[in-house]
Amino acid sequence: AQSVAQPEDQVNVAEGNPLTVKCTYSVSGNPYLFWYVQYPNRGLQFLLKYITGDNLVKGSYGFEAEFNKSQTSFHLKKPSALVSDSALYFCAVRAAPNSGNTPLVFGKGTRLSVIA
Amino acid sequence: KAGVTQTPRYLIKTRGQQVTLSCSPISGHRSVSWYQQTPGQGLQFLFEYFSETQRNKGNFPGRFSGRQFSNSRSEMNVSTLELGDSALYLCASSFDPGPEGRGYTFGSGTRLTVV
Repeated sequence: AQSVAQPEDQVNVAEGNPLTVKCTYSVSGNPYLFWYVQYPNRGLQFLLKYITGDNLVKGSYGFEAEFNKSQTSFHLKKPSALVSDSALYFCAVRAAPNSGNTPLVFGKGTRLSVIA
Repeated sequence: KAGVTQTPRYLIKTRGQQVTLSCSPISGHRSVSWYQQTPGQGLQFLFEYFSETQRNKGNFPGRFSGRQFSNSRSEMNVSTLELGDSALYLCASSFDPGPEGRGYTFGSGTRLTVV
């Protein structure tokens, strides 16, 4: 069964500084990896995904993530944080189609706080 | 185009009661998944439906059930409610018929409070 670990419950960063939100995963076969963001009292919004190809994936709002197969990681990054980036971030994984119809499994989330 | 619509947005129920939540996916989406979100556990997978068939089921007790209709709308039901069922229930729809890469579109959720 697949699983996702987000080792930090909370990440604090000063506005203008780079940010990283960590994610490691476990899955049988090749992974499909996703990042979502959740603002208060809202559902989850899609940020970016890795399916295949370049290990560096660019997504919405200036976010990017790097797929590292050897470390089974998919960390979310942004070069310069904004106060408006403050939200709850979720990493998710599912197996590639040749491993069957598996559900999308989420980590427990990391709360990002950007301080002005 | 309209997003994923979940109704009701808020619900207060008493222990022992049952509840039905509704989800209308994006037009053309045939896959609907349900998740339970709590502060301590994050998002936990409940079930996934595709073309009226349950394709995957999470590790929840039998009190949690769901179904999908021919128009892809989905409902989930929780019987004999417990205090621990208080959570935000999120529905997500996907165009893809299988585990492909486009990801899900989420609704705003139904906040269930059991008292």
